[in-house]
Amino acid sequence: ETGVTQSPTHLIKTRGQQVTLRCSSQSGHNTVSWYQQALGQGPQFIFQYYREEENGRGNFPPRFSGLQFPNYSSELNVNALELDDSALYLCASGQGGDIQYFGAGTRLSVL
Amino acid sequence: GIQVEQSPPDLILQEGANSTLRCNFSDSVNNLQWFHQNPWGQLINLFYIPSGTKQNGRLSATTVATERYSLLYISSSQTTDSGVYFCAVGSGGSYIPTFGRGTSLIVHP
Repeated sequence: ETGVTQSPTHLIKTRGQQVTLRCSSQSGHNTVSWYQQALGQGPQFIFQYYREEENGRGNFPPRFSGLQFPNYSSELNVNALELDDSALYLCASGQGGDIQYFGAGTRLSVL
Repeated sequence: GIQVEQSPPDLILQEGANSTLRCNFSDSVNNLQWFHQNPWGQLINLFYIPSGTKQNGRLSATTVATERYSLLYISSSQTTDSGVYFCAVGSGGSYIPTFGRGTSLIVHP
């Protein structure tokens, strides 16, 4: 158990819709990162939040956005869903960012 | 950005066999982690090893930072070792890791 929980575990949406994925980090962890993992690939970094501010962003368009809350929870929002957004979305938390602990992920299917 | 290559891409073993997984990276790193992703998608930390050697039970890892590679050793493999093994590296002041494409391991009973 990593102490990082994600919800929901599975989700089906249609193209053009919006989705919100949630993550609850370990108590005391001040960074949270989100990753997208396509089938057969390694996780790709989307962005990281540190003390509720975005602290780094990968090569993802602005329709991917996030929030981090003071209670160690965070959200990933994706607007105007596209078919290629179908993937496993992983949340990871840590203290200072050196070692990250991952949740089990949310599997998103866009039809 | 930094490139990470893992080999072999696929590995099939009989229970009890030993194996070595390799991670090559294209630039100097200050962070390196090995993960095991189980069939349900959960990524489990195995080692945080930017340099040196560590051991945890049947698993051990060695990173030679000056030569830009890391090795993960699995001894006496078990069926529960099946899954995908990822190497993730970071460089610079902020740990934004770059993952390799992984090594898919299947251990048969």
